[in-house]
Amino acid sequence: GQSLEQPSEVTAVEGAIVQINCTYQTSGFYGLSWYQQHDGGAPTFLSYNALDGLEETGRFSSFLSRSDSYGYLLLQELQMKDSASYFCAVRELTNAGKSTFGDGTTLTVKP
Amino acid sequence: DADVTQTPRNRITKTGKRIMLECSQTKGHDRMYWYRQDPGLGLRLIYYSFDVKDINKGEISDGYSVSRQAQAKFSLSLESAIPNQTALYFCATSGTGTGGTTNYGYTFGSGTRLTVV
Repeated sequence: GQSLEQPSEVTAVEGAIVQINCTYQTSGFYGLSWYQQHDGGAPTFLSYNALDGLEETGRFSSFLSRSDSYGYLLLQELQMKDSASYFCAVRELTNAGKSTFGDGTTLTVKP
Repeated sequence: DADVTQTPRNRITKTGKRIMLECSQTKGHDRMYWYRQDPGLGLRLIYYSFDVKDINKGEISDGYSVSRQAQAKFSLSLESAIPNQTALYFCATSGTGTGGTTNYGYTFGSGTRLTVV
């Protein structure tokens, strides 16, 4: 099976950089994804890492290290609108690639 | 129009009633999913379908059933609703994973907030 761990809450100030970590236990997976969810809204896809290393998309970057069973989402130049929950998810090798989600990290950005 | 549309957006129902949540998509994806989210928690998979003739149970399928009426439609039913099924329900679609990394991501509907009293 799959198991993912994320911190439950992170707080940072506007303009800062924050890193949200995700550690996982899995028998094998295609890649690690990240999603953003504003309160009561739909989760939206942010990024996907199939290979080790850093993927950059504007202010957001995501990193994967398969040898360390670890990934992170890096948010730069934080804005108030970045306050949301962030979920990591692994896309399984079995079950034809469905995803298992972590419990999410609530990011609060303060002025 | 949204890529993934869920109806209703909100629903209050009584214990023991049968209720259906509907989902339709214009993404052209074969893969569709139903997730449940409880306050402060992540997304738990109820059922998933990889094509019209394929239905699979997720981690919390007890008390739920699904129907894949067409490639674009996937409905979730609660045969006899109970209060602990009060939650936010999301439908999602995904591609097969080919054609670039963006095809791996799930597209979620806006959710159905269900309250069972």
